[in-house]
This record gives sequence, C-alpha cells and structure tokens, in this order.
Amino acid sequence: NAGVTQTPKFRILKIGQSMTLQCAQDMNHNYMYWYRQDPGMGLKLIYYSVGAGITDKGEVPNGYNVSRSTTEDFPLRLELAAPSQTSVYFCASRLEGFSGGYTFGSGTRLTVV
Amino acid sequence: AQKVTQAQTEISVVEKEDVTLDCVYETRDTTYYLFWYKQPPSGELVFLIRRNSFDEQNEISGRYSWNFQKSTSSFNFTITASQVVDSAVYFCALFTGTASKLTFGTGTRLQVTL
Repeated sequence: NAGVTQTPKFRILKIGQSMTLQCAQDMNHNYMYWYRQDPGMGLKLIYYSVGAGITDKGEVPNGYNVSRSTTEDFPLRLELAAPSQTSVYFCASRLEGFSGGYTFGSGTRLTVV
Repeated sequence: AQKVTQAQTEISVVEKEDVTLDCVYETRDTTYYLFWYKQPPSGELVFLIRRNSFDEQNEISGRYSWNFQKSTSSFNFTITASQVVDSAVYFCALFTGTASKLTFGTGTRLQVTL
C-alpha cells in the first residue's frame, strides 16, 4: 500500500516555465488536497477535490490549476512559474466522512529562479 | 471561518526539560477535530494525534501528552523529558465539516540541545 505518492521530489524551474506536480493515491480516498508550505510558515490550501470531476479553490489558488479525472490522481499545474511559487508542495487525501484522517505525501520542493 | 494560532514561533530547551507547545483555535462549528503533526528536518509530516470536539479527556502517549480545553479553545501539547530527536516543527491543525478541510497553524519550531 503506497499511500500518497508525489512526483517529482525536487524541481528547479525557470521563470515563465510550466510544469505539473503529480499526486496519486491508492486508498480509494474521495477527498484530495494540495497545500503549499512557504519557509517558516504553515500549510496553505491551494485546491481540493471531493471526488472525480469536482474541484474547488482553497486559500491561495492563483497561478495554479488542477484536474481530477480519476479517483486516484490529482495533478497540480503551474502555468508561467513565478519566484513567489517557490515552496514545498504537499498532496493529501482522506476518506469521505468526518474522521478527518489525512494521509500526506512526502512533498515536492520547487524552486523558481 | 476557521483559525489556528500557534503563538510560539520558536522554543529552545535543553535535553530532559519538559516543554509545552500552545495551540488556540477558532471555529463556530460544534463538531470538529484537532490534530498535531510533527515535521522533522527531513520535511515529511508525521501525524501525532487526532482529537474530536466531544472528547475532552487528556491523552498521554509515552513522553507526549495533550491537554484539550474547550473552555479556552486550546489544545496544548507537552513533551516530557525532551530529547534531541524531538527537534522539529510542530503544527496544530483544525478540521471542521463546514470547511471540509484542514486548517494549519504557522507551527512552532522546537530545538532541543544537549
């Protein structure tokens, strides 16, 4: 049981480039989330999804896009990368229901130069 | 709206000292969950505890203990006889059904030295 898998673990982008951060879970979780963690800060929600085909914005969605075509995958797309997007990105998932037990991926460290 | 406040940005203690990390939360929901996560220098998030709003019993797990007080909206975390391996950033987080998401505090960096 792999849990939540994020790829890549590290990436350096140039300003204006685009990329997709991959997130996959094999636990059949309905809910999936993307958070970013800036240095010395807590995690802020970028986007989330309550099931395949349904996504919604979190606190800091600008500059990002998501899609959820399957239950397993929840990729995060960065268009026109900016230095302000330098951060560590965490993907998480959980089952429907109020237990709120989250499973986090190991994170993707992104640097935009 | 949900909010979690961890007023202590950084704490330094000497090994074997006890240390308490404070967490204050805000929510209008009557049903909610509170969490503590540990983030060691390696960067991953390690789940420590989940407590629901109807269970105000304190919990102890080895050297870790948690004090949940609804009257003061606090969920404090105490490490007894701290060790160097406890050095990490600790996050308190709140989950409510209304928001359907986890809201994190800004974290407390704990440095334990010999």
